[in-house]
Amino acid sequence: EVQLVESGGGLVQPGGSLRLSCAASGFTFSTYSMNWVRQAPGKGLELVSYITSSSTIYYADSVKGRFTISRDNAENSLFLQINSLRDEDTAVYYCARPGRPYAFDIWGQGTMVTVSS
Amino acid sequence: QSALTQPPSASGSPGQSVTISCTGTSSDVGAYNYVSWYQQHPGKAPKLMIYEVNKRPSGVPDRFSGSKSGNTASLTVSGLQAEDEADYYCTSYAGSNNLVFGGGTRLTVL
Repeated sequence: EVQLVESGGGLVQPGGSLRLSCAASGFTFSTYSMNWVRQAPGKGLELVSYITSSSTIYYADSVKGRFTISRDNAENSLFLQINSLRDEDTAVYYCARPGRPYAFDIWGQGTMVTVSS
Repeated sequence: QSALTQPPSASGSPGQSVTISCTGTSSDVGAYNYVSWYQQHPGKAPKLMIYEVNKRPSGVPDRFSGSKSGNTASLTVSGLQAEDEADYYCTSYAGSNNLVFGGGTRLTVL
């Protein structure tokens, strides 16, 4: 079964850090770009970052300089290091696979990041 | 403010058809045939319903269809069923490896 499972979310104070992980299974992870998409409570979806199979990286302007995406193809895992957290980073963070051109066909269940003092 | 404009709400009775619009610009929706639609039930992850304007992934009912005219894409749900009640989001490729999202539409089945 093709599956993505996120972990690493939690409650963190402003200015703090977290490392999110996404474990992939059921497909050849190394051949796919992988993405992080977030959704603030009651809000829409926002593409946060992606990393291609050749390790080209993109960040949304809102997270540039604070978030770092990486992948470990040997472990079929995607990561997102999030530093200098702000209130507005509070969201469910999903990892997603673009199995169709510019479309995410597989999503994880999401991991909640809450930034609060 | 989202890059793509969707109506905040839409509704229809069971068995009816409803169409949700997604308006962009000549730099995104109008420029590329890479419009996708996602369905999201409360507390769940989004689910891909339409990609490349009008293609359905395996397992998505043919009651769901997509189209595009100029800078506006549309998702039509025919033969509305109770389980279609959800939030729907559109996305479009915008060039230079950028992807833009709509703000979402809450579909209510009356």
